[in-house]
Amino acid sequence: EVQLVESGGGVVRPGGSLRLSCAASGFTFDDYGMSWVRQAPGKGLEWVSGINWNGGSTAYADSVKGRFTISRDNAKNSLFLQMISLRAEDTAFYHCARETSLAAAGYMDVWGKGTTVTVSS
Amino acid sequence: DIQMTQSPSSLSASVGNRVTITCRASQSIYRYLNWYQQKPGKAPNLVIYAASSLQSGVPSRFSGSGSGTDFTLTISSLQPEDFATYYCQQSYSTPRTFGQGTKVEIK
Repeated sequence: EVQLVESGGGVVRPGGSLRLSCAASGFTFDDYGMSWVRQAPGKGLEWVSGINWNGGSTAYADSVKGRFTISRDNAKNSLFLQMISLRAEDTAFYHCARETSLAAAGYMDVWGKGTTVTVSS
Repeated sequence: DIQMTQSPSSLSASVGNRVTITCRASQSIYRYLNWYQQKPGKAPNLVIYAASSLQSGVPSRFSGSGSGTDFTLTISSLQPEDFATYYCQQSYSTPRTFGQGTKVEIK
């Protein structure tokens, strides 16, 4: 079964750091790009970051550029999101998603259930 | 960044109705447009990719059309399981951007 399982969420103070992980199974991980998408409480979807199959190309939303770093370990079928200088507005449910291509024409065809990040003092 | 605007923000419809949701991009995105369905408390689910290609396993009552800046998602005969929020998303460039969502509610 194709599956993505996120972990690492929690409660953190403003200015703090957190590292999210996403474990992939059921498919050849390094055949695909990957993305992180978040959803603040009661709000819509916001794409956060994406990475190509070998980690050689990454992209970020303007709202997180310079604070978040996406990476992957293909040997461990894992995706990561290192988040620093967290702000209240980063509070959201974070999903990882399989991205068919980080170049044009990609789409996110498999999604994890997500992990919650709460930034609060 | 490319801005995506959906309309309407919400709609009420009855089972069996035909429903159309529109999505407009702030610049041409050719046919690099995807649609997702999200039910409360669940992860999004891909419905349509590349403007008009039906994702495997998605019922044929869903269809997509459009190119350039204007796109539509149509549900030909609304079923009870279709009540959800629908998002368009451009994949022409990064950062990827989503529309604000259209909530389809029961009338």
